[in-house]
Amino acid sequence: QVQLVQSGAEVKKPGASVKVSCKTSGYTFTIYDINWVRQAPGQGLEYMGWMNPKTGVTGYAQKFQGRVTMTRDTSTTTAYMELRSLKSEDTGVYYCARGYDYYHGMDVWGQGTTVIVS
Amino acid sequence: QSVLTQPPSASGTPGQRVTISCSGSSSNIGSNSVNWYQQFPGTAPKVLIYNYSQRPSGVPDRFSGSKSGTSASLAISGLQSEDEAGYYCATWDDSLNHWVFGGGTKLTVL
Repeated sequence: QVQLVQSGAEVKKPGASVKVSCKTSGYTFTIYDINWVRQAPGQGLEYMGWMNPKTGVTGYAQKFQGRVTMTRDTSTTTAYMELRSLKSEDTGVYYCARGYDYYHGMDVWGQGTTVIVS
Repeated sequence: QSVLTQPPSASGTPGQRVTISCSGSSSNIGSNSVNWYQQFPGTAPKVLIYNYSQRPSGVPDRFSGSKSGTSASLAISGLQSEDEAGYYCATWDDSLNHWVFGGGTKLTVL
């Protein structure tokens, strides 16, 4: 079955960078976009951006432009999200999610990766 | 400030019908499909409704979605205690060129 399995929790100091991985399986990796969504403690879902695994083309939410980079390794069907210049406000759970299409939206989600900036 | 506007909270008693609204604009809800996600504390969101009103297999038909103009709604009929969760609307925004979410609605079953 389709699965997205994310890397483990991270604790970082302010100013550092974090790179979260999202290992996919059960489908053809290059067909569907990978999206990244974060959730601060007690807050709602915040969209970060998307990546086309076939071309590497990305689209970032303005809030994260210049600070986030989304990449992939097609040989291991793994997507990555790196966030730089971390601040305490970046503390939260980061999710990757497969973007099936415009109608189905983000249909399968990873389990989430907790990032603590302190 | 979310691009899509949802009420922060909603409530109802078991058996009641509850509706959650999601307001957007012509560049998002007005021209693209709307999806609804359900999220329980400590877990990843799950698709509840896609393409305005379609339910993935396994989602009870108590959940329904609709759209009118630049707004969408999620209705839950025959409310049950296990429906207590967070609910988020989402759609693609043609101006921003990425997905956008509502701020989320916490549903309490009294």
